[in-house]
Amino acid sequence: KAGVTQTPRYLIKTRGQQVTLSCSPISGHRSVSWYQQTPGQGLQFLFEYFSETQRNKGNFPGRFSGRQFSNSRSEMNVSTLELGDSALYLCASSLRIGGTEAFFGQGTRLTVV
Amino acid sequence: DAKTTQPPSMDCAEGRAANLPCNHSTISGNEYVYWYRQIHSQGPQYIIHGLKNNETNEMASLIITEDRKSSTLILPHATLRDTAVYYCIVRAAFYNQGGKLIFGQGTELSVKP
Repeated sequence: KAGVTQTPRYLIKTRGQQVTLSCSPISGHRSVSWYQQTPGQGLQFLFEYFSETQRNKGNFPGRFSGRQFSNSRSEMNVSTLELGDSALYLCASSLRIGGTEAFFGQGTRLTVV
Repeated sequence: DAKTTQPPSMDCAEGRAANLPCNHSTISGNEYVYWYRQIHSQGPQYIIHGLKNNETNEMASLIITEDRKSSTLILPHATLRDTAVYYCIVRAAFYNQGGKLIFGQGTELSVKP
């Protein structure tokens, strides 16, 4: 079956703009998590959604937000982009929250100029 | 902060077994040990996980010590394609405890011809 799909794969934005990234989980998976990866900070947890509700949130400013739709697809939004937001944004899906493996997409590479 | 400690880098000869150690001395009884790997600029790939018994799948074997304070991931016949960063992660076992993955710095495994 199809894996986790993230769109777009690459994105270039200007400081101050906002961006929306999309994640389609594996069919049947109801939990979606988002991670940010940078060379300096490594892989960091952003937030986790299950049944359209945010269940857990990492230590990121309010400019980072997300949502999950009834079909389990998820989007994350970053407003007022800063140069430091340049990163690989990864989405992971799993059947439920915890207790089972999570599968990652290939990520969206965001560059802020 | 990550609850695991791994060596930053290791080398392995192609065709030989790669043994990647991980220390998780503060693991609690309701936490699994998960292993993921990340090949350059791709999304992390799930390898294996376990609670207290040794586990084996088509990719690798996981050996967990009896006191559960450390584990070893074994790739039985390493190939050049196994060159990646390997992450050992401690994660809640039950669905209602949250599913976030806390990544450390991982071990950069280089498989050499």
